[in-house]
Amino acid sequence: GENVEQHPSTLSVQEGDSAVIKCTYSDSASNYFPWYKQELGKRPQLIIDIRSNVGEKKDQRIAVTLNKTAKHFSLHITETQPEDSAVYFCAASWQGYGGADGLTFGKGTHLIIQP
Amino acid sequence: EAGVTQFPSHSVIEKGQTVTLRCDPISGHDNLYWYRRVMGKEIKFLLHFVKESKQDESGMPNNRFLAERTGGTYSTLKVQPAELEDSGVYFCASSQGLVRGKVSNEQFFGPGTRLTVL
Repeated sequence: GENVEQHPSTLSVQEGDSAVIKCTYSDSASNYFPWYKQELGKRPQLIIDIRSNVGEKKDQRIAVTLNKTAKHFSLHITETQPEDSAVYFCAASWQGYGGADGLTFGKGTHLIIQP
Repeated sequence: EAGVTQFPSHSVIEKGQTVTLRCDPISGHDNLYWYRRVMGKEIKFLLHFVKESKQDESGMPNNRFLAERTGGTYSTLKVQPAELEDSGVYFCASSQGLVRGKVSNEQFFGPGTRLTVL
């Protein structure tokens, strides 16, 4: 089955600096890579996703890159703000026209934005 | 539009007892997933329904866990009898699937049920 590794487990950055979280996956059949943000006591929420036919995707201060050959994908947050403090989870799965598998998650990264 | 809802938000039971968790997906979402996060570990997939059918239950830990989705709407996850290692947060997620020729597989998560087995 799929295995997703996520690093680092904790990341502390100064407000305004950039943060990068990295994940690797093992199953070459996986073609969908979402990132979820979970604030304390709240539900995980999708912040960005990328499919295997794309190498990079941006949404304002957030970007995700994917290297299919190396089976790596990364989340980049620029100009970090206090509200970015949360736990971030990467995930991988197979998705097709007829359906989608359950997600395999990384262990999460606790991002701390220092004022 | 109401999001995914789960009930109860917290449950504290003793080892050997039975607990039933409920998930109400977003209306019209054919796909329903159950996940579990044990303290300090990753969110793990348990099973996947498409409408009322179990599409994949490869993540279910053992036969003490029983999930149902009669009628293809809400789902229940029953743990009987509960053991200490079943403690954790149980999440439900739903996605729309194939609608009018377009695939929408983004999974929307519920707030979770925190289960504590003493």
